Amino acid sequence: GAVVSQHPSRVICKSGTSVKIECRSLDFQATTMFWYRQFPKKSLMLMATSNEGSKATYEQGVEKDKFLINHASLTLSTLTVTSAHPEDSSFYICSAIAGANNEQFFGPGTRLTVL
Amino acid sequence: GDSVTQMEGPVTLSEEAFLTINCTYTATGYPSLFWYVQYPGEGLQLLLKATKADDKGSNKGFEATYRKETTSFHLEKGSVQVSDSAVYFCALFNFGNEKLTFGTGTRLTIIP
Repeated sequence: GAVVSQHPSRVICKSGTSVKIECRSLDFQATTMFWYRQFPKKSLMLMATSNEGSKATYEQGVEKDKFLINHASLTLSTLTVTSAHPEDSSFYICSAIAGANNEQFFGPGTRLTVL
Repeated sequence: GDSVTQMEGPVTLSEEAFLTINCTYTATGYPSLFWYVQYPGEGLQLLLKATKADDKGSNKGFEATYRKETTSFHLEKGSVQVSDSAVYFCALFNFGNEKLTFGTGTRLTIIP
């Protein structure tokens, strides 16, 4: 199947700093990628849909100025958590659509800890 | 809105035991249903799916049947192995809003 990578896998930062997370489709091109957030013992929550060459579509309640998404190429989408605070600590997962069945392929996730 | 409820874990079983992980859903229309598996350190992988009522998805010895009358998609395996230890997520895809909705995940540990 298609492979999606994320970098970094773990990041610890100080409150007030910004953190960038990369999501790459390794062996296919993805015009659409998704960003999810997972809280402990909670389900994955869709944050936004990232479309190559256009603005991301954010879900209700997600601050677009805080979670900046850039999908500048067909293989890379980035999520930047701006002015991070401890409540932003979470597991962030991206996915990309590939294949004729529009199946979503998921990255391994990035654990963000804000001190 | 759409929602998926699956049994809370963790679930610990002995090797060769029978596995059932319950999943029920609430959705408008006729969603597709999925089970994803996440092995340690890896991303979610599609395990099996069913796209309409009474369909049975199967893969690697796992099965789940789309039951519209009970809005359920329970995951079963007759004889689990240590290598099945992972987190399992039930999910639905709503064609109306084109979104995947996940359950909370169930951590399964198989002991030799």
